[in-house]
Order: sequence, then structure tokens, then C-alpha cells
Amino acid sequence: DTGVSQDPRHKITKRGQNVTFRCDPISEHNRLYWYRQTLGQGPEFLTYFQNEAQLEKSRLLSDRFSAERPKGSFSTLEIQRTEQGDSAMYLCASSFSRAGAGELFFGEGSRLTVL
Amino acid sequence: AQSVTQLDSHVSVSEGTPVLLRCNYSSSYSPSLFWYVQHPNKGLQLLLKYTSAATLVKGINGFEAEFKKSETSFHLTKPSAHMSDAAEYFCVVSPLSGYSTLTFGKGTMLLVSP
Repeated sequence: DTGVSQDPRHKITKRGQNVTFRCDPISEHNRLYWYRQTLGQGPEFLTYFQNEAQLEKSRLLSDRFSAERPKGSFSTLEIQRTEQGDSAMYLCASSFSRAGAGELFFGEGSRLTVL
Repeated sequence: AQSVTQLDSHVSVSEGTPVLLRCNYSSSYSPSLFWYVQHPNKGLQLLLKYTSAATLVKGINGFEAEFKKSETSFHLTKPSAHMSDAAEYFCVVSPLSGYSTLTFGKGTMLLVSP
């Protein structure tokens, strides 16, 4: 399968714990995005990388959220000191920069439940 | 600023009847508009896109949408629903140029009955 893959698919954690999600984009894509989707809502943009550079991070929800893409390939999203309000689906997407805006390929998501 | 409003949270149709999913947008500049579909336990998939070319856009699986600037609408239609069309559909707006910060609507769940 050459699509966007995310790991883990499901994560249950206790409040206050740290969690990390991994995203492997489509190999030839140089752009990578993180979105969050809560119940009954559409996905909400969090952050965006072009190669290893994080070009937009002002939408990260708080300083407890951070993302990296160290070698311009896979990316990680970390949430420190989780809160119950962090429970959501975290979506990763990738694209090729020469494609038109909005042509993103999404993974199946990582569902976080904070108890 | 940009936003989209999907006018129906749920739409129910019978198999073989037409589908209409409504979307209005707000944008301070010329937008790109998209429809994405999300089947259960599947990733979001691009259905079709409008990027200032033809106002009637055809997508995959027989879906199409018409950009109407005067009405600020981008409604999604299909002449005949199929059971496999049952999914959640998202209307999305983005700046015409620049990086892809997509703004999603809240989604419309399409239910198709036999």
C-alpha cells in the first residue's frame, strides 16, 4: 500500500500522559499536514511542513502540541500532558507541491481517547 | 477570512434518486472549492475541485458541482444515488494560491436506502 499511513490507529491514555503519533506520507510528496477532527466537526488544520521545514504552526492548539519532520519524510505529532479535550481523531495528509491547492491525500487517522 | 456552511447535517435518499448536498462559502478573495468524501474507517478522499476554470466541475463516481459566485454556493449533485455513496461529505475552501490551508465544513452525512 503506497498511501499515507498513520500509527497508532487508536490510542487510549490517561490524562496527563504524553502521546506521540507518527505519519508516513506518500513517498514522492514533499508537503505534509496535520489536522484534527472532533465528533460532528470537519477537520481543523493544525500545522504544515514543506520538506523538513515547518512553515505554519500558529494553528497548533496550545504549546502542549508539537510536530516534527526531521528528515523531510515521516512526521510525528506529540501532545504533552494530555487533557480530556484532546480526545479526537488526528489526521495526516500529504501532497506534492506542484499540485493544485487542496489536493491532499489523507491517512485513516489516529484516534486518541484521553480518560 | 474564509468559511463554508453545509446546510444539512444529514441527507437521506433512496437508491436511484438524485442527490443534492448544499454548501455556501464565504471568502474575501477568489477561492478554490472542493468536496471531499469520507467513508467509514477510510481516509478522506478528494471528490472534485473548482479552481477558477469551468464553473461546472465533474468529479469521481458521477458527482458534479457548480460554482455560483452570485449565490456563493458550491452544491454537490449526482443524478442517481448508489448504495456505495453512503458516506460523509465535506465542502472545503482554500485560497486560490499559496499553501493548502483547507477550511472544512462540518460535513453532511448521506444515507442511501434500498
